[in-house]
Amino acid sequence: AQRVTQPEKLLSVFKGAPVELKCNYSYSGSPELFWYVQYSRQRLQLLLRHISRESIKGFTADLNKGETSFHLKKPFAQEEDSAMYYCALSGGNEKLTFGTGTRLTIIP
Amino acid sequence: DTGVSQDPRHKITKRGQNVTFRCDPISEHNRLYWYRQTLGQGPEFLTYFQNEAQLEKSRLLSDRFSAERPKGSFSTLEIQRTEQGDSAMYLCASRFLAGNEQFFGPGTRLTVL
Repeated sequence: AQRVTQPEKLLSVFKGAPVELKCNYSYSGSPELFWYVQYSRQRLQLLLRHISRESIKGFTADLNKGETSFHLKKPFAQEEDSAMYYCALSGGNEKLTFGTGTRLTIIP
Repeated sequence: DTGVSQDPRHKITKRGQNVTFRCDPISEHNRLYWYRQTLGQGPEFLTYFQNEAQLEKSRLLSDRFSAERPKGSFSTLEIQRTEQGDSAMYLCASRFLAGNEQFFGPGTRLTVL
């Protein structure tokens, strides 16, 4: 079975401070992990995926298989980062399994 | 092509009525997915198509739910004899076979009174 856990429903961070959104997963094989973001009044969109090992809008995420984690990080938060963030897992089948999401609020 | 589109964006219905939603994927995306999202939860997988073939259905998809993609382009999701528990946001996504990014539509918000 596939499972994704995002322990924080809400996270508030001051502008300029570091951000870390936690994601842990459960899957017996080799998963593909994603972070999706939903800005206010916009649709869900892909932020980044672990296989590309890229940095998007200053965000990075490293897959830690030992800790089964895929935390999202950014060194300096910006006001435009305020949004809903979802961690998602694909286990080799077609479906994405999402976590419950973390609402990130950047305090000016 | 402005991305995945869904119609209607909002639907209010009375318990026991049937409703149908439409999804138009991005052109040439041969995989199409339906998800349901309830308040405070992430999207939950319902079903997906490759072209016109429905290849997987979640246990969440009771026999009151049916999805079709008759010509391999747009898809419809029908809910028969709606219940208050069906109230949710219904999301559609599509992707190209060679890629692994799913592109989401804006969703259809269903309210069952």
